[in-house]
Parts: sequence; C-alpha cells; structure tokens
Amino acid sequence: EIVLTQSPATLSLSPGERATLSCRASQSVSSYLAWYQQKPGQAPSLLIYDASNRATGIPARFSGSGSGTDFTLTISSLEPEDFAVYYCQQRSVWPPITFGQGTRLEI
Amino acid sequence: EVQLLESGGGLIQPGGSLRLSCAASGFTFSTYAMSWVRQAPGKGLEWVSTIGGSDDRTYYPDSVKGRFIISRDDSENTLYLQMNSLRGEDTAVYYCAKVRRAYDVDFDHWGQGTLVTVSS
Repeated sequence: EIVLTQSPATLSLSPGERATLSCRASQSVSSYLAWYQQKPGQAPSLLIYDASNRATGIPARFSGSGSGTDFTLTISSLEPEDFAVYYCQQRSVWPPITFGQGTRLEI
Repeated sequence: EVQLLESGGGLIQPGGSLRLSCAASGFTFSTYAMSWVRQAPGKGLEWVSTIGGSDDRTYYPDSVKGRFIISRDDSENTLYLQMNSLRGEDTAVYYCAKVRRAYDVDFDHWGQGTLVTVSS
C-alpha cells in the first residue's frame, strides 16, 4: 500500500499570501496524484489531477507540481474562500486508492 | 450538471446491515466507474470501493473486503453499497463519487454524503 504523507498538518497564513502544501509518497506514483479541497460540512472537490492539471472551473491561482514521490500544491495568492482542508490522493498502484491525512489551511 | 444524491444512512447496531444508494444524473452513468469514499467524524478520507463502468469489476480495501458489496443498476442510474457485519469503525459519512475517466480513479464529482452510525 502506498502511504501519502502531507505536510504541514496545519498552515496558518493570511489572505494574499502564498501557500505551499506538500505530499510525499512512500514509493513512486509517477504523476498519478490528485489534490482535493474540503470546506467544513461539505464534500471534497477535485482541484488538480495527474499532478499538475487543474480540474474544470478551478482558478489559475491553484497549481500542482511534482512527480515520483514529491508533490506540491501551490496557491499563489490566498482568497478568503481558500481556507479549508486539502488532501492528496494517488491512483498509481491500487487497490487500495490512498489519501494523505490532510493539511488544514487556516487564517 | 452532474448530481449525485446519497441516501440510506442511519443508526445501526454492531453486526447489522445497511444498504446505501446513490442516484446519479447529468451524465451517462453506465459509462463511468463509480466509487464510495468515507470519512469518519473529524478524520480524513478513506476509499471504500470502486465498480467499473463497462465491465462491473469491483475493488475493495482490506478493511471492508468480504463485508461490503458495491453494485450498480445502470437502468436506474443508481449506485449501491451493501454493508454487512457493521462495526463501530465503519461509522462515517459515506460519499458517492464519480470516477473522472475510465480507470483513472480520481473523483471529479461527489455527492453530499450520508451518515452511517454504528452503535448499540
């Protein structure tokens, strides 16, 4: 099973600042990594797939990078609605599909 | 517009059974793989099962294998999850999720979730 480790667990920033979230895989997942955003009381929503492709309707301030075992989600300039929990997920070797434990982005 | 609407959650005793449903609309349901993902209270996301679109192959993690059964009715555009031998650790919000493309198993649409509570 591929384990995904996200860091930091919590990231405290202000609107307008740049956010950098990390996801590290226990073995190579090539580029088969996705990122999700989850706001309180809501279902997750897909932000990035295949490491660097924005999902439909996702603003350009969200970008993903990386391959192999190290991945980054960057939010270039935080908007108030971006404060949420972010999860990474791999589909390279499955079953099982695995998720990271999440990074909470707080104001 | 893609819509996924789960139902069937509730309070169930340990050892009991429950069937969740997910009514899908806004896309050609039969051609997409579908999945269930759960989230225990205050915890992260856990993949529960996937069923293929064209071949109906099914996949499970070890945590639910042999207890849960995923199925689909393409004539009714509905996904199901039969959960048997339920345990306290199965308590979670269960989300129905559409797989983005073929067996590219990431999830581009999610339902609002249905809460399952396993407790005596």
